[in-house]
This record gives sequence, structure tokens and C-alpha cells, in this order.
Amino acid sequence: DTEVTQTPKHLVMGMTNKKSLKCEQHMGHRAMYWYKQKAKKPPELMFVYSYEKLSINESVPSRFSPECPNSSLLNLHLHALQPEDSALYLCASSLLGVWNEQFFGPGTRLTVL
Amino acid sequence: AQKITQTQPGMFVQEKEAVTLDCTYDTSDPSYGLFWYKQPSSGEMIFLIYQGSYDQQNATEGRYSLNFQKARKSANLVISASQLGDSAMYFCAMRDNNAGNMLTFGGGTRLMVKP
Repeated sequence: DTEVTQTPKHLVMGMTNKKSLKCEQHMGHRAMYWYKQKAKKPPELMFVYSYEKLSINESVPSRFSPECPNSSLLNLHLHALQPEDSALYLCASSLLGVWNEQFFGPGTRLTVL
Repeated sequence: AQKITQTQPGMFVQEKEAVTLDCTYDTSDPSYGLFWYKQPSSGEMIFLIYQGSYDQQNATEGRYSLNFQKARKSANLVISASQLGDSAMYFCAMRDNNAGNMLTFGGGTRLMVKP
């Protein structure tokens, strides 16, 4: 199984809502990532989990809260988002080390009204 | 600090012709990996090809090949026999230990294949 899955594919939420994005992989990867991508731009790294521990937080606002319940799952909890947070949110996983590619999920298109 | 530069924001290619997408990189780490990803309009990032800094030969994967010129710090992607389905954004990316082996992306090149 060389697939990263993400749910939901699309999400529309108001600024007062609380929602969660989910990501799952069964490749035995111990590094998992959240990226945010705006239109016509490259992905921007948000968070990195290594062995289920948060290892990198790229100065992301606290309205985004990541969680890694186990080695296969990664969640991103959303609360009190702003319209400028509307973007494609990509999850990825990889083996550790510079020689290893990251495998990406299909993404969640988030619209904040 | 590492940096990836893709100088071609957009390119056209005729179907069945070959096309080269440029990528230059900068790193002081002798150990690094270079990656190319394709992103169609659906949004998914699809891994295409990889080149390690110590690899002696250029990487190839089907119609994709990587023209790796280490002294020039370039890692250009060559797509042979372009197909309409190749129309997409293409990102060059690098992992090295200077950046905690995170993936750093270039700005991307939008490729459009003409019938």
C-alpha cells in the first residue's frame, strides 16, 4: 500500500466552526507532514511529526492544532479560522533521511467563509 | 540556507515533443536529494523522479529523466514524447540536512501541452 489518504476532499466552514482534517498512511513511515498550498504557489510546510512527536512547527497560528494519535494517523484540528486560511491542505509521509521521497495525499480544499 | 529556483513560470510544448524544465539549487550540504513532483489541477502531488547527490548516473523513470549537473547545481527534468496528460504544475524540491531534512520546493513551472 503506497497511498496516503485524506478526508474530507472538500470542506467549507464558517469562522466560528471547529472541524478536523484527517490523514492516514500504512507504509510504515515515521515522518508525517502538513502543508498549506495557496493557488499557483508551492506548498508551505506547517508541521512535521517524527515518531509521533511534533518536531517542527513553522510558526503556524494556534487556530491550527495538529495531532498524531499513532504512527498511521495525522489530524489537523481547525478552530476560528480566517478567510485567508482558505487553501489546499496537503498531508505527506516519508521515511526519514534526505534520500527518501515524500508521498502526498490528494489534499483537502478548504474554504473559510 | 538552501534554495531552489525554477526560472520558467510557464511553458508550452507540442504533443509528442520533448521538453526540459529547469531547476537550480543551492546548498552547502554534500548530502542531499533532489525530487520532481507533478501537480495536476486536481491538486495531488505526484512523485516523478529522484536524484541523490552521490549518484553517478542521471536518474530515469519511463519518459522522465533528470539531467543532473552537480558542478552547475542544476537538476533539470526532461519529459520525452509529451502527452496531453502531462499538462500540470511541476515542482523541483530538495531535502538536505541543513534544513532538518525537510523538503524545500521551487516556485514551480506550469507546463501546457498543445495538441
